[in-house]
Amino acid sequence: EDQVTQSPEALRLQEGESSSLNCSYTVSGLRGLFWYRQDPGKGPEFLFTLYSAGEEKEKERLKATLTKKESFLHITAPKPEDSATYLCAVRAGANSKLTFGKGITLSVRP
Amino acid sequence: DTGVSQDPRHKITKRGQNVTFRCDPISEHNRLYWYRQTLGQGPEFLTYFQNEAQLEKSRLLSDRFSAERPKGSFSTLEIQRTEQGDSAMYLCASSAGQGVNTYGYTFGSGTRLTVV
Repeated sequence: EDQVTQSPEALRLQEGESSSLNCSYTVSGLRGLFWYRQDPGKGPEFLFTLYSAGEEKEKERLKATLTKKESFLHITAPKPEDSATYLCAVRAGANSKLTFGKGITLSVRP
Repeated sequence: DTGVSQDPRHKITKRGQNVTFRCDPISEHNRLYWYRQTLGQGPEFLTYFQNEAQLEKSRLLSDRFSAERPKGSFSTLEIQRTEQGDSAMYLCASSAGQGVNTYGYTFGSGTRLTVV
């Protein structure tokens, strides 16, 4: 069974304090690792998909990386508007569905 | 096209009542998914359609839950004889067959169900 574990559960940063969020996964035949951002009361918003180990993608202050066992979401010089829950999900094997982790709640203080 | 639309946004129902939710996907997307999310948890897969065919259902999905996608367009999710444990956010997502790894799955804003 596909498993996704995210850590830490919650992270509080000062504005400008860079950090990383971790996503560890166990799947059979990874076909994509996805990062989403979710604001309270809203649906997840797509950020990145990574397919192969060594791949990196960037968007503004966010950079996602992938190894064979985990993915990191690096946040550089975060701003209060980056406060949200960040979800990691995998698509594996012959499945079309996504399996999600529990998410990491990020709070950025001004 | 303004994305994935879900209706209603909020639903409060008494235990034992039936409820139905609607999802309108992005028009060119042939795949549609239903997920359930409870507080502090990530979305949990419920079921998946490709066009009008329901291709997969979660083993965790009770027989009280049924979903349809007539004509491969909008979808409905019905919960019969609701229980307090059904209280959650019900999310719909859609994707195109091609390019999903580039563009991801697009989620709607969800329907918040409260069973009292």
